[in-house]
Amino acid sequence: SQTIHQWPATLVQPVGSPLSLECTVEGTSNPNLYWYRQAAGRGLQLLFYSVGIGQISSEVPQNLSASRPQDRQFILSSKKLLLSDSGFYLCAWSAGGGPREQYFGPGTRLTVT
Amino acid sequence: QKEVEQNSGPLSVPEGAIASLNCTYSDRVSQSFFWYRQYSGKSPELIMSIYSNGDKEDGRFTAQLNKASQYVSLLIRDSQPSDSATYLCAVNSARLGSARQLTFGSGTQLTVLP
Repeated sequence: SQTIHQWPATLVQPVGSPLSLECTVEGTSNPNLYWYRQAAGRGLQLLFYSVGIGQISSEVPQNLSASRPQDRQFILSSKKLLLSDSGFYLCAWSAGGGPREQYFGPGTRLTVT
Repeated sequence: QKEVEQNSGPLSVPEGAIASLNCTYSDRVSQSFFWYRQYSGKSPELIMSIYSNGDKEDGRFTAQLNKASQYVSLLIRDSQPSDSATYLCAVNSARLGSARQLTFGSGTQLTVLP
């Protein structure tokens, strides 16, 4: 069966510091991968998605970036965090191809102070 | 107009009752519809998917889709306190530029009272 991992689970970082969040998927090949952010009491905002190694699409302009160095690894980064970057960061995967269910990892709760 | 709209609630129902959660969407070409459950502080968990008009049942959950009216609903029969969570409606829309993307509603908070 497929599992998705995210780490760290929680993170407190000062404004201006860098960020690296990692997501890995097991038990599937060639997944579509997604990064979402959920602000407190808000819906899910799609940040990035990837259909293959090195292929990244960005949904919103921001100071975040994403990379996919391996088939089942997805990384979210920032060079300098802003207060507004605080939130619950969720990685998700879906099977490649057309419209499919997405499955979420456990998430990383980021607080920027 | 939001692409996917849900009543934010909170919706309260007594234990054993039927909880009815509704969702409307704006894009007529949407093809796939999903319901996720999110407990406080946790990540969303997929509970139902529906692709064609009509009802789809899975245990105590029934998803209903009406593409002509552009709404999808989730019924929870014999509601339990453990069903208390926020329920997110998600819709696939080609208008987003890729068939692989989902748009989420902001969620309906459900509380089942013992």
